[in-house]
Amino acid sequence: SYVLTQPPSVSVAPGEMARLTCGGDNIGSKSVHWYQQKPGQAPLLIMYFDIHRPSGIPARFSGSNSGNTATLTISGVEVGDEADYYCQVWVASGGHSWVFGGGTVLSVL
Amino acid sequence: IQLVESGGGLAQPGGSLRLSCQASGFTFSDYEMNWVRQAPGKGLEWVSYIIGGETRESVIYYADSVRGRFTISRDNAKNSLYLEMNSLGVDDTALYYCVRDSRDGGQDLWGQGTLVTVS
Repeated sequence: SYVLTQPPSVSVAPGEMARLTCGGDNIGSKSVHWYQQKPGQAPLLIMYFDIHRPSGIPARFSGSNSGNTATLTISGVEVGDEADYYCQVWVASGGHSWVFGGGTVLSVL
Repeated sequence: IQLVESGGGLAQPGGSLRLSCQASGFTFSDYEMNWVRQAPGKGLEWVSYIIGGETRESVIYYADSVRGRFTISRDNAKNSLYLEMNSLGVDDTALYYCVRDSRDGGQDLWGQGTLVTVS
């Protein structure tokens, strides 16, 4: 089965840049989606097909995907960005499934 | 536009529950739908998928962890998604979300979840 690996936690100061990674075997050949989940809330789609932001998501959020790593970059991190972030891909070989990474807790110190 | 889950609760190991999801504000039949769960304090786990559209045969997928025990279904006339859960185990304890696949990519609409506790 396909595995997505995310660092458990990332800490940054307000105003700095946060890079959240998502590792997977040749993930660059897949389309990666990202979700933000704040405590007590359902996940929110914040990036789709690697680099596209849904309406309402600030331009501070950007994405990239190449080789074995996809990255969600948050520029000028704000306290309100503190949340859990999950990457996701659709796997269509050896069965069909959505696969989530284990999630990264972003702390804004 | 929203999804509202119901049917969660306390079940004994080996027991059954049926979850429902009521969709509103969009053409439910046009969309692929999923169940995604989240155990307390843990990450997201996809559970099951069912294709949208008025196809004669449903295309359905399950996570290995639930295949053979859970059954996903939908009633487009009622704008509803279901998850029949049998042979429940303690590892099935989680908040179960009803989730819509986006036309653009990813999953763009999530319910607030219904809590299933197996104990």
